[in-house]
Amino acid sequence: GQNIDQPTEMTATEGAIVQINCTYQTSGFNGLFWYQQHAGEAPTFLSYNVLDGLEEKGRFSSFLSRSKGYSYLLLKELQMKDSASYLCAVRDHAGGSYIPTFGRGTSLIVHP
Amino acid sequence: DAGVIQSPRHEVTEMGQEVTLRCKPISGHDYLFWYRQTMMRGLELLIYFNNNVPIDDSGMPEDRFSAKMPNASFSTLKIQPSEPRDSAVYFCASSFGDRGTYGYTFGSGTRLTVV
Repeated sequence: GQNIDQPTEMTATEGAIVQINCTYQTSGFNGLFWYQQHAGEAPTFLSYNVLDGLEEKGRFSSFLSRSKGYSYLLLKELQMKDSASYLCAVRDHAGGSYIPTFGRGTSLIVHP
Repeated sequence: DAGVIQSPRHEVTEMGQEVTLRCKPISGHDYLFWYRQTMMRGLELLIYFNNNVPIDDSGMPEDRFSAKMPNASFSTLKIQPSEPRDSAVYFCASSFGDRGTYGYTFGSGTRLTVV
C-alpha cells in the first residue's frame, strides 16, 4: 500500500503564494492526483501527474518528483475562496489495482 | 449531465436500524466507487464496481456493510445493523475507466449520524 503524508493545516494571506507538500512511499507508482474539498462539499479534481515536472493550470500548479516520492501543489494569487482542504491521492499499481489511495488532506485557511 | 447524485443528503438513525444510501452515477461511466470520510481516517475506499460487477470490497469494514449495483444507473450501500461508529460522510464517485486520469467525479455525499 501507500504511506501518504501531508501537513494537517496551513494558513496564508490573500494574494500570496502557498505550497502544499505531499510525500509518499509506494512500490509501483502510477500517478498522483490533487483534489480540492470545500467544507461540507465533495472533493473535486484539480490535477494529475504521472511524469516528473510541473503541470500548470491557471493559478494552480502541481509538481512531481518520482525519485523523491514527492509532490507539491502551488497556489498563486490566493483568494478567500481557496480556503479548503487539499487532498493528495497516489495510485500504486503493485497490487494490480489502478485505484488511488487518498491522504488525510491539508486544510488551507486564507485570511485577508 | 447532472453529475453523480446521492440520496439522502443527511440521515440520522438510531443504533441497530438499517440504513440505505443511494447513488446514481454519471451516464456512460463504467466505474462506481463508494468512499467513507471521517476526521480520524480521512477518505477511505469501501468498494468499487466495474460494469455493475463488484471488483474489490476489501475496504468494507465488516459484514454489516453491503453494496449492490443492479444496473448501470443505480447503486446502494446498506448498513445493517448500524452503529454509532458508522457515523461519517459517505461519498459515491464515478469515472470512465479506472485510470482516473481526469479524476473521479464525486457526489455531494450523505452525512450519516447514528445515535
